[in-house]
Amino acid sequence: EIVLTQSPGTLSLSPGERATLSCRASQSVSSSYLAWYQQKPGQAPRLLIYGASSRATGIPDRFSGSGSGTDFTLTISRLEPEDFAVYYCQQYGSSPQTFGPGTKVDIK
Amino acid sequence: QVQLQESGPGLLKPSETLSLTCTVSGGSIGSSYYYWGWIRQSPGKGLEWIGSVYFSENTHYNPSLKSRVTISADTSKNQFSLKLSSVTAADTAVFYCARHQYYYQTSGLVGYFDYWGQGILVTVSS
Repeated sequence: EIVLTQSPGTLSLSPGERATLSCRASQSVSSSYLAWYQQKPGQAPRLLIYGASSRATGIPDRFSGSGSGTDFTLTISRLEPEDFAVYYCQQYGSSPQTFGPGTKVDIK
Repeated sequence: QVQLQESGPGLLKPSETLSLTCTVSGGSIGSSYYYWGWIRQSPGKGLEWIGSVYFSENTHYNPSLKSRVTISADTSKNQFSLKLSSVTAADTAVFYCARHQYYYQTSGLVGYFDYWGQGILVTVSS
């Protein structure tokens, strides 16, 4: 199965700053089948991005995804207070689909 | 707006069978466009896809759990269910049900999850 690694483990930033989160796969993810989720304490994950770069319904355009092959990036252009959360990547290019361990974005 | 809600016991003893149900509103699990899946989240293993069901007949499971998992669907009730047998403390987790936007790859069923239930904590302890 494809193993996903996310870095950094924790990202400490201030509101208004730009966040860049990395997701690396142990082998190439076919068709850029890579999704990103946001999770806040006590809540379920929320789909942000699918197909590496397509925003899900209702997701603000400050969230953007990029990448292909084994390296993918989630960028939050200007952090809003509600963006401080844990972010997970998930590959669905190969079964079983797998998730990364997450990156926590907290307030500096 | 599709909504999902998990229900079932929150405490089990080792060797028992976990049984959870997901009730879907705002959408039909009989739709041909989606699978319906279960995912669990534990501190030790993170997020892990358990398996997914399409209509009442087609199921796909994570090979790591396949020997212990059964997922079924009742389209008349708009519900789908998870059974996980012979549980141990390692199965303690928050269990989520979700709508599975699917694709078929040569390796099997894949896809992302666009609507999730709120999750239910299941603890396995003697």
